[in-house]
Amino acid sequence: GQQVMQIPQYQHVQEGEDFTTYCNSSTTLSNIQWYKQRPGGHPVFLIQLVKSGEVKKQKRLTFQFGEAKKNSSLHITATQTTDVGTYFCAGTPTPSGGYNKLIFGAGTRLAVHP
Amino acid sequence: DGGITQSPKYLFRKEGQNVTLSCEQNLNHDAMYWYRQDPGQGLRLIYYSQIVNDFQKGDIAEGYSVSREKKESFPLTVTSAQKNPTAFYLCASSPGTGVWQPQHFGDGTRLSIL
Repeated sequence: GQQVMQIPQYQHVQEGEDFTTYCNSSTTLSNIQWYKQRPGGHPVFLIQLVKSGEVKKQKRLTFQFGEAKKNSSLHITATQTTDVGTYFCAGTPTPSGGYNKLIFGAGTRLAVHP
Repeated sequence: DGGITQSPKYLFRKEGQNVTLSCEQNLNHDAMYWYRQDPGQGLRLIYYSQIVNDFQKGDIAEGYSVSREKKESFPLTVTSAQKNPTAFYLCASSPGTGVWQPQHFGDGTRLSIL
């Protein structure tokens, strides 16, 4: 079936270090969304990428969508303790049949040590 | 403030018992979703609804049922047929079900077996 794989599962960094999580799909995606879930909280939408090769930035966060629209990455520069949480990618396989069926990756849990 | 309200926050189920999780939204969104989250796994879709009085099975619908009698409400019943119901349940909504719609999540209900 359609799968979205996300690595690594866990990442521990010292505050100030960079962090990257990778997302790979077995099928072409119409779009990729990224969500952040703080410990004990619910997923919160961060960003959506829809174009092949697209790169978007939000302050210290850089999001990329691969040329083949099968992979994506989230890079955080100079992590802070406020970055702690689990980062999920979620994509809509092509074709989607018009329904926004998001396939979620398992998430990468980020721990930041001060 | 607009948002999604899930209740209760914690729920305990006895053997052979059906329990209902509430989800209400005041975002005027057409589409609503129920996800199950298990430790170390991504969100898995249980049911979704694109419009009032219509809903569709997701990837893991067995042992669950839903209704969508009002636009604002999308309750989920965990039936006794669901043999492993212990999980974190998240309700979400989006303006529509087009592929470009980000999803907004409630705070979740944590269900455990007594």
